[in-house]
Amino acid sequence: GENVEQHPSTLSVQEGDSAVIKCTYSDSASNYFPWYKQELGKGPQLIIDIRSNVGEKKDQRIAVTLNKTAKHFSLHITETQPEDSAVYFCAAIITRYNFNKFYFGSGTKLNVKP
Amino acid sequence: EAQVTQNPRYLITVTGKKLTVTCSQNMNHEYMSWYRQDPGLGLRQIYYSMNVEVTDKGDVPEGYKVSRKEKRNFPLILESPSPNQTSLYFCASSLGEGSEPYNEQFFGPGTRLTVL
Repeated sequence: GENVEQHPSTLSVQEGDSAVIKCTYSDSASNYFPWYKQELGKGPQLIIDIRSNVGEKKDQRIAVTLNKTAKHFSLHITETQPEDSAVYFCAAIITRYNFNKFYFGSGTKLNVKP
Repeated sequence: EAQVTQNPRYLITVTGKKLTVTCSQNMNHEYMSWYRQDPGLGLRQIYYSMNVEVTDKGDVPEGYKVSRKEKRNFPLILESPSPNQTSLYFCASSLGEGSEPYNEQFFGPGTRLTVL
C-alpha cells in the first residue's frame, strides 16, 4: 500500500518567518494531496489541497507544491503568526473501487514564537 | 451547523470492559471512517463505511468493531479493550463518489480513551 513520510516532526520558527513541511509518497496512483491543521483539542481541519494534475496552489499565506515525478509535495507558510502553531498532517489519497483511501503522514508540530 | 460529533470526548476504562464511542454527522455524507492517532504514527484508519450496511477494515482493525445501520451514525465498539488501545480516536465523514469535493474529510473533535 501507500507509504507517506513527513518531515520534520517538529519545527520552530520566529513569527514572520516562513515554514516548510515536506512529504513523500510511494504509490504513483495517489491522485489527491490534502493538508490538515490540527489545533490543540480539536480534530484535523483541511487547510489546502492539490490534485495530481496541478503543480502548485496558493491560498493567501499558504501554498502547496507537488512534484509527481519525484513523488513529493510540500506545504509552505509565509509570514507565520502565533495562530499558525498547530500540528500539520499531509495525506495522499488513492481512489480504488469507488472509494478514496487516505494515507496520512506522521504529523509536524509547528511552533511559531512571538 | 455542519459537523461531526463524537461522544464521549474523554473516557477512562479498565481492561475487558466493553465500550462504544458514538459518531454522528449531519451532512448526509455517505463515507465515514474511524482513525486512531498515536504519537509519531499520525492517523491510522481503523474501519470505514461506504454507505449504510457497508463497512470494511482499514489498516488497524484488530480489537474493534463498527456498524452502520443509519447513514448519519457510525459507532466504534471495543468488545474487550486492552491497554494498547489507549489512544486518541477520530471519526470522519465525506461525500460519496461522484460529488465534488467528494474527497474532503470532515473530522470530529476526537475521543481520548485510556484503558487501564
